[in-house]
Amino acid sequence: DVQMTQSPSSLSASVGDRVTITCQASQYINNYLNWYQQKPGKAPKLIIYGASNLEAGVPSRFSGSGSGTDFTFTINGLQPEDFASYYCQQYENRFTFGPGTRVDMK
Amino acid sequence: QVTLRESGPALVKPTQTLTLTCTFSGFSLSTRGMSVSWVRQPPGKALEWLALIDWDNDKYYNTSLKTRLTISKDTSKNQVVLTMTNMDPVDTATYFCARIHEYGGNSGFDYWGQGTPVTVSS
Repeated sequence: DVQMTQSPSSLSASVGDRVTITCQASQYINNYLNWYQQKPGKAPKLIIYGASNLEAGVPSRFSGSGSGTDFTFTINGLQPEDFASYYCQQYENRFTFGPGTRVDMK
Repeated sequence: QVTLRESGPALVKPTQTLTLTCTFSGFSLSTRGMSVSWVRQPPGKALEWLALIDWDNDKYYNTSLKTRLTISKDTSKNQVVLTMTNMDPVDTATYFCARIHEYGGNSGFDYWGQGTPVTVSS
């Protein structure tokens, strides 16, 4: 099974900050990596698919990069509505979610 | 407009079988490339993928839970059903169903239900 790790597990940031989250797969997954945003009490929302492709309707301040086993998710210019948890997900072999990163207000 | 809605019991007893139904609209599970998955999330914890069923009735399960899970579909009713046997308090979670969209070789869970909370307790 493919295991996913994320870091950090949580971070505090201010509006306007650049936020970076990393995700690592336990084995090669090519670019089969998605990023989701989840707010408390809500379902996750797809932000990035295929490691670097922005889902339709998602603001361009969100971006993703990486391939193989190491991936990065970035928010350029954090907005108030971006305070949430973020999960990576691999789909090279079935599906596995990472443990999540909570982004809260500094 | 794509929508999904989960339904099922809010409370089950240990050792019982949980049956959840995902009723969806705005797409057909008989359309080539379509699939629906179940995902759960224990309170305060991470998401965990459970199972998937696709348009061709192929089924895939979380390796660690596969002996307890069964996924099925009723295309005429636009429903996907998940059963989980031998429920335990550690299975207490919110259970989501989600549509999987194919992006030319990539896949993403693009539409989700609101989730249904399930508590396992005697």
